[in-house]
Amino acid sequence: EAGVTQSPTHLIKTRGQQATLRCSPISGHTSVYWYQQALGLGLQFLLWYDEGEERNRGNFPPRFSGRQFPNYSSELNVNALELEDSALYLCASSSTGGEAFFGQGTRLTVV
Amino acid sequence: RKEVEQDPGPFNVPEGATVAFNCTYSNSASQSFFWYRQDCRKEPKLLMSVYSSGNEDGRFTAQLNRASQYISLLIRDSKLSDSATYLCVVNALPNTDKLIFGTGTRLQVFP
Repeated sequence: EAGVTQSPTHLIKTRGQQATLRCSPISGHTSVYWYQQALGLGLQFLLWYDEGEERNRGNFPPRFSGRQFPNYSSELNVNALELEDSALYLCASSSTGGEAFFGQGTRLTVV
Repeated sequence: RKEVEQDPGPFNVPEGATVAFNCTYSNSASQSFFWYRQDCRKEPKLLMSVYSSGNEDGRFTAQLNRASQYISLLIRDSKLSDSATYLCVVNALPNTDKLIFGTGTRLQVFP
């Protein structure tokens, strides 16, 4: 069974551009979480989607947004990129009340 | 008070040592608890779930103390390969899937 897949694995953007990151959850999982992990820091909760709706968001500005599609895959969009947005972006999926499984992440570099 | 708090470490221990980490959580209604392991520049992976009765998996023992609102992870006979960051994870509220991650405790096992 396929795990959580994220694309692209690496992304390089310039300041001010927009980035789109994609995540496909494990089959049967309806919840998708997005986390940001800057170098040397812990996981920071970004967004949580379940059944196509945004359920909660972390303490990030509105230029971080996303959506969940009917097949439960998800996109994270980051507009007006800033240098400090450079980080590993991790997506995780879970079934109701279960543990979360992570994708390998997208490493975003803003130059 | 943070929703989930961990001592960031690092805990530097020799091979064969026993080491324990604690993690405190603020929401007394939390129902699900997990320990994840994260290797450098990799995605977190589930180490073990934490049950009310405590659970053991080989050299690893996890316990839950609801009265004091903390969970613990004990590692016996530490191996070099145990070197990683250990993340404590708690669900935000009952009947929701939002998972809150601690910032992690860094363990370094030396020969």
